[in-house]
Amino acid sequence: DAGVIQSPRHEVTEMGQEVTLRCKPISGHNSLFWYRQTMMRGLELLIYFNNNVPIDDSGMPEDRFSAKMPNASFSTLKIQPSEPRDSAVYFCASSGPLSNQPQHFGDGTRLSIL
Amino acid sequence: GDSVTQMEGPVTLSEEAFLTINCTYTATGYPSLFWYVQYPGEGLQLLLKATKADDKGSNKGFEATYRKETTSFHLEKGSVQVSDSAVYFCALSNPNTGNQFYFGTGTSLTVIP
Repeated sequence: DAGVIQSPRHEVTEMGQEVTLRCKPISGHNSLFWYRQTMMRGLELLIYFNNNVPIDDSGMPEDRFSAKMPNASFSTLKIQPSEPRDSAVYFCASSGPLSNQPQHFGDGTRLSIL
Repeated sequence: GDSVTQMEGPVTLSEEAFLTINCTYTATGYPSLFWYVQYPGEGLQLLLKATKADDKGSNKGFEATYRKETTSFHLEKGSVQVSDSAVYFCALSNPNTGNQFYFGTGTSLTVIP
């Protein structure tokens, strides 16, 4: 089975540009999570969805960040406008409906804002 | 609220040494506990899990036992290899708080030949 698929794997762009990260969860999983990982702050949960509905977005750093999940097989995380401090690795993860089921992570998007 | 506390790293061991990475948790009810491993440039991968008290999770020579009396889930391996060099994360999931996971800060392990 295919795992969680993220694109792009790497993104380098200039400050002020819009950035869109994409995620395809594992088929049949109904929960989706977006994380950000940096050396300074470690792994941070940004937002998560259950059945395509945002449940907790308290980790979204500011209004420049937005996430959508238009259907069960696709989610986006958008940063507009981007800033150098947004540089990080962004992970998407998905899981099944039970709390004893593990999260499965994608390989991440390494984002560099110049 | 729920939380996970891991021992601070980094940890450096010689090949074939014994490994312990401590993990304790705070949670109401009956959480499930997990260990994840992250190799350089990759995402987190599930290493092992335990879903109820006294369960032992094991995989690739790693083991961890769910101890409710001490609220702990320490990771152990009897003989580490260079290929075990990675960052290890302890995590919990609690049915009381939906499917959200709570991760520890990660412990970096380097194994030297």
